[in-house]
Amino acid sequence: GAGVSQSPSNKVTEKGKDVELRCDPISGHTALYWYRQSLGQGLEFLIYFQGNSAPDKSGLPSDRFSAERTGGSVSTLTIQRTQQEDSAVYLCASSPDLRGSYGYTFGSGTRLTVV
Amino acid sequence: AQKITQTQPGMFVQEKEAVTLDCTYDTSDQSYGLFWYKQPSSGEMIFLIYQGSYDEQNATEGRYSLNFQKARKSANLVISASQLGDSAMYFCAMREPFYNQGGKLIFGQGTELSVKP
Repeated sequence: GAGVSQSPSNKVTEKGKDVELRCDPISGHTALYWYRQSLGQGLEFLIYFQGNSAPDKSGLPSDRFSAERTGGSVSTLTIQRTQQEDSAVYLCASSPDLRGSYGYTFGSGTRLTVV
Repeated sequence: AQKITQTQPGMFVQEKEAVTLDCTYDTSDQSYGLFWYKQPSSGEMIFLIYQGSYDEQNATEGRYSLNFQKARKSANLVISASQLGDSAMYFCAMREPFYNQGGKLIFGQGTELSVKP
């Protein structure tokens, strides 16, 4: 696609429910990153993919968070048993490779509200 | 550890004037990249400009220029001829080496710029 697409753009969920956030990167971009931006905070790195592989999951805030990527394209970030502190904007970015010299293109984000 | 510091939480500038947004960084790596992103109220992160650590000339992209002072570890963004549409949050970011979390970006806390008519 022309840009990085994220869905849904907004999600309100009840505490304890599971949610799935989707990211569709730019076609051909092998590197994909998930970040979280909490209210009034900067951006916090969560996880990256090189192709379908996520070599290091240590950035995920808890074991309730998981992510996968299939076909070297679409990625899904899943949050199980959501808590109020999970409320944030979740941003996805893609890049042609891991060097990042060409820049990172961000999606518009998914605003998650846990009530 | 790598760190990005933006010391100006908020700034005001008169339309058509130039403004400088400060950014300092800390790294022990010789090879790194510095980025500036704009985040309007709509939420998307818009790439503005990139400076590689080995680039000898300051990067420029239209009205944006990056004042790169390597010895002082600063990478200030200069916006010339400010426009009302420049009102947004601006983030300075540094790229980790690719072997560290795939070259993730580390972000500063951001500077909220308001352009006055």
